[in-house]
Amino acid sequence: GAVVSQHPSWVICKSGTSVKIECRSLDFQATTMFWYRQFPKQSLMLMATSNEGSKATYEQGVEKDKFLINHASLTLSTLTVTSAHPEDSSFYICSAVTGGDQPQHFGDGTRLSIL
Amino acid sequence: GEDVEQSLFLSVREGDSSVINCTYTDSSSTYLYWYKQEPGAGLQLLTYIFSNMDMKQDQRLTVLLNKKDKHLSLRIADTQTGDSAIYFCAEKRRRTGGFKTIFGAGTRLFVKA
Repeated sequence: GAVVSQHPSWVICKSGTSVKIECRSLDFQATTMFWYRQFPKQSLMLMATSNEGSKATYEQGVEKDKFLINHASLTLSTLTVTSAHPEDSSFYICSAVTGGDQPQHFGDGTRLSIL
Repeated sequence: GEDVEQSLFLSVREGDSSVINCTYTDSSSTYLYWYKQEPGAGLQLLTYIFSNMDMKQDQRLTVLLNKKDKHLSLRIADTQTGDSAIYFCAEKRRRTGGFKTIFGAGTRLFVKA
């Protein structure tokens, strides 16, 4: 149980393109989803917390207009990297929880490469 | 500070036990987690412990929590080559409006056949 699916797993695109990443909880309803960014050989950096039906809460230093998050249903959250540039290249990972005291379950990540 | 500290690298022989250590900072953290990450993949929850527990055992995994010293360890018995991965320690902290999970930098475990 508690499977989180992330799509796509790898995307390569040109600079200036907008890229959408989907995060789905397959067998449970996720009240909260999280988006992380991971640089090579580093830990996860929390970008934003997303609650279903409300605006995402962004961490300090993360541009809201650059990283658009939508959490329209209890099983789907999307992260759109708008007008992506090479410095946005990274590994993006989502996670989901069913409730406040439950552990996070992670997707397999999306490797984004901007040329 | 906010950091969760872990050693960066551990190498063991197949069949030996591995012990990965972690120190955290917030004594009011409710849950502490161990996650495993294989190359190019997301994080897999291995086990977690509630802050009022001292120990939790799950098959080959044993978690020890010393709340006084804010020290957490993960012991993997009979380590196998398939255990080679990065292991992240994480603490769940309450904050205004909800909670935040803070991850360590990860310990890279290398298992020699």
